[in-house]
Amino acid sequence: EAQVTQNPRYLITVTGKKLTVTCSQNMNHEYMSWYRQDPGLGLRQIYYSMNVEVTDKGDVPEGYKVSRKEKRNFPLILESPSPNQTSLYFCASSRSGGSWETQYFGPGTRLLVL
Amino acid sequence: KQEVTQIPAALSVPEGENLVLNCSFTDSAIYNLQWFRQDPGKGLTSLLLIQSSQREQTSGRLNASLDKSSGRSTLYIAASQPGDSATYLCAVSSGTYKYIFGTGTRLKVLA
Repeated sequence: EAQVTQNPRYLITVTGKKLTVTCSQNMNHEYMSWYRQDPGLGLRQIYYSMNVEVTDKGDVPEGYKVSRKEKRNFPLILESPSPNQTSLYFCASSRSGGSWETQYFGPGTRLLVL
Repeated sequence: KQEVTQIPAALSVPEGENLVLNCSFTDSAIYNLQWFRQDPGKGLTSLLLIQSSQREQTSGRLNASLDKSSGRSTLYIAASQPGDSATYLCAVSSGTYKYIFGTGTRLKVLA
């Protein structure tokens, strides 16, 4: 089954403790992206990747890092999480990121930073 | 800077009604517009994608229209069912690889 998976689905952590949220897709997609969703603000793009080793900032990249060493994986790294990073995070992918393509989303990771 | 607005924020309708969800955007220079459905715990599912050169797209009971000049899109749902209850999001692509989402309309269809 074609899908985007995220782990963990739920995470509670404390300020300053480094964490990684994994994202994996099995569709051989070149384009992957991370979003955060907050009440009243909608989804906002954090980072995206056009292909292996190629990444770029979205609208809200501060406090986040990403890497794309393999085509199928695009982990999101919070080196020193803060409470304002408490949010619902989504990973998405599409074949090449072109405007004619649909994005496929993972189920989301709910993060609480205390 | 592109901004996407969805009105209303929430909507309750009785089963069987036809309904329209609205999406407006401030910059008409878009590549495409997509409508998504979001169910709790299940992420987002793409419903319809309209390219900038198109006026509308249809899928089953859903019809989405796009008017770039006025910065508006509508999602029409015919003969609504309780299973249509979800949050509906629109998103515009104003440049390659980048997407701007609206805040969504939370729809509840009452049986």
